[in-house]
Amino acid sequence: NAGVTQTPKFQVLKTGQSMTLQCAQDMNHEYMSWYRQDPGMGLRLIHYSVGAGITDQGEVPNGYNVSRSTTEDFPLRLLSAAPSQTSVYFCASSYSRGSATNEKLFFGSGTQLSVL
Amino acid sequence: EDQVTQSPEALRLQEGESSSLNCSYTVSGLRGLFWYRQDPGKGPEFLFTLYSAGEEKEKERLKATLTKKESFLHITAPKPEDSATYLCAVQTNAGNNRKLIWGLGTSLAVNP
Repeated sequence: NAGVTQTPKFQVLKTGQSMTLQCAQDMNHEYMSWYRQDPGMGLRLIHYSVGAGITDQGEVPNGYNVSRSTTEDFPLRLLSAAPSQTSVYFCASSYSRGSATNEKLFFGSGTQLSVL
Repeated sequence: EDQVTQSPEALRLQEGESSSLNCSYTVSGLRGLFWYRQDPGKGPEFLFTLYSAGEEKEKERLKATLTKKESFLHITAPKPEDSATYLCAVQTNAGNNRKLIWGLGTSLAVNP
């Protein structure tokens, strides 16, 4: 198993550009999520999904869109990049299904995004 | 307000020098407390889940304990490969209980 795969690993954008961060998992996990990690702020939840076709907002959803058309994939779209979105982004998944328990999150290796 | 605080921010140990990392929390109701390890340039890696005061879990040189106000991650006779940032996260019973409240982590360096 590859686990959770994120692409790209690094990305530089100009203000106003849009892009999609890709996330795929091969563990048949129902739960998938996106976090951003900033110095002094810790990990913050952007969006999450409890299964194909179901998504919900986390703590900091503004400026980001998600969709979940398959169990495997959970892309994160930046609609119009802003310097405040400069961060390291992590995708995470877990076995949890239906219940609200986040047991044992599996993280990808991250995407370092800079918005100029 | 729900809050998770980790201390110290950074810790430097000599190989073999045992110590403890602290995660204190103030939440409305604890559903679970999680410990993760994060290496530079990588995503966090799960270590332990603790659910109730008095619970303990061990893995190699690491032992996690939980009280009603805090959790400790004890590192016994650490090796250089234990160098990493250790993150604590708490899941509460209130509101959107898919939300984890994360601490800022303790950066551990173990010198050979």
